[in-house]
Amino acid sequence: GAGVSQSPSNKVTEKGKDVELRCDPISGHTALYWYRQSLGQGLEFLIYFQGNSAPDKSGLPSDRFSAERTGGSVSTLTIQRTQQEDSAVYRCARSFAGGGETQYFGPGTRLLVL
Amino acid sequence: KQEVTQIPAALSVPEGENLVLNCSFTDSAIYNLQWFRQDPGKGLTSLLLIQSSQREQTSGRLNASLDKSSGRSTLYIAASQPGDSATYLCAVLYSGGGADGLTFGKGTHLIIQP
Repeated sequence: GAGVSQSPSNKVTEKGKDVELRCDPISGHTALYWYRQSLGQGLEFLIYFQGNSAPDKSGLPSDRFSAERTGGSVSTLTIQRTQQEDSAVYRCARSFAGGGETQYFGPGTRLLVL
Repeated sequence: KQEVTQIPAALSVPEGENLVLNCSFTDSAIYNLQWFRQDPGKGLTSLLLIQSSQREQTSGRLNASLDKSSGRSTLYIAASQPGDSATYLCAVLYSGGGADGLTFGKGTHLIIQP
């Protein structure tokens, strides 16, 4: 694959519940990205990590969204108090060191909020 | 707001034809441009990356060009095959943002008729 695994592959939740999405890139890739792909919309950039640090969180849609990365590897994207408009495919990508290198995408997590 | 536009939104051609997909972007201050392929229900596969200083990149039957001054890129597919059927996405990395996230177009849905 693309050296990025995401879990779960599918998630159905009820409005108002919290969800946690996970991204696990292959080791040695310091840059990690989260995107969202809503039905009928293009891919929307959410946040970027260089190591464990996210220099710019302004792409997150609201304060219900947060992300963290620990140990320079696994990252979690948390959505609190989910809303129906949060339904989308959440995609994670990696690159070796950031800085405009090729981004390789994982299979995504399909989130449905009922 | 920086925007990436892809024309046409959909294209259907007979097998064997050469074809061109178009991408335009509003801000010429780009770092690089990347073309992806997305198969239904699947993740994104990187096809070609063109740095802002380059004019074109080639991989097999694919050739991508970049004209930064006019804000345009094209993806040329030679001798199309049914296996080329997919959605093709153009994505731009803008300079100086620090966020390192790609700005995507909405894609061209390509069908190659056997």
